[in-house]
Amino acid sequence: AQSVTQPDIHITVSEGASLELRCNYSYGATPYLFWYVQSPGQGLQLLLKYFSGDTLVQGIKGFEAEFKRSQSSFNLRKPSVHWSDAAEYFCAVVFSGAGSYQLTFGKGTKLSVIP
Amino acid sequence: GAGVSQSPSNKVTEKGKDVELRCDPISGHTALYWYRQSLGQGLEFLIYFQGNSAPDKSGLPSDRFSAERTGGSVSTLTIQRTQQEDSAVYLCASSLGQGSQPQHFGDGTRLSIL
Repeated sequence: AQSVTQPDIHITVSEGASLELRCNYSYGATPYLFWYVQSPGQGLQLLLKYFSGDTLVQGIKGFEAEFKRSQSSFNLRKPSVHWSDAAEYFCAVVFSGAGSYQLTFGKGTKLSVIP
Repeated sequence: GAGVSQSPSNKVTEKGKDVELRCDPISGHTALYWYRQSLGQGLEFLIYFQGNSAPDKSGLPSDRFSAERTGGSVSTLTIQRTQQEDSAVYLCASSLGQGSQPQHFGDGTRLSIL
């Protein structure tokens, strides 16, 4: 079955440290890939997306992600974390065989930032 | 410009009552999605509307759930005879079209069933 895995439920980093959030998917073809961020009591904000082409994509707020076909991964990175980055991060995938193009989400990774 | 607007932001109701949740998508967006976010199940797809096509209802968990989209714009999600397991945040998203078009989310309606 098609699925999205975020293996880390909770990550804590110090402000200024680098960050990498992991995402793997299970699917035979290349899906459309997204990262969203959610602050408490708010909806989901799109950070970045990958459809095709350059496998390193840049997003908002200084985030980037790299698509690795061989590993079926789409990990999110940021070189220097700010306290305002504390939130929950969701990797999401559109599997092209899904007729309605709905998003399939990972379970999310909650990021805490130590000042 | 205006984003996706959902109302109410919070709804508390008694078990067995019916509830209606509203979503105003971004103007010009032809695709509209409803998702549910709960602690146990994470984010789940419920239903999808695209233009005048028949909606994809494959994610609706039971026949107590229904949704409509009037005039290709505003959508209403209705839950009849609510149960405690319906307690969740209901999120609406819209996009310009299908596939690679990113979905833009509202802030959701937090539904609590007493």
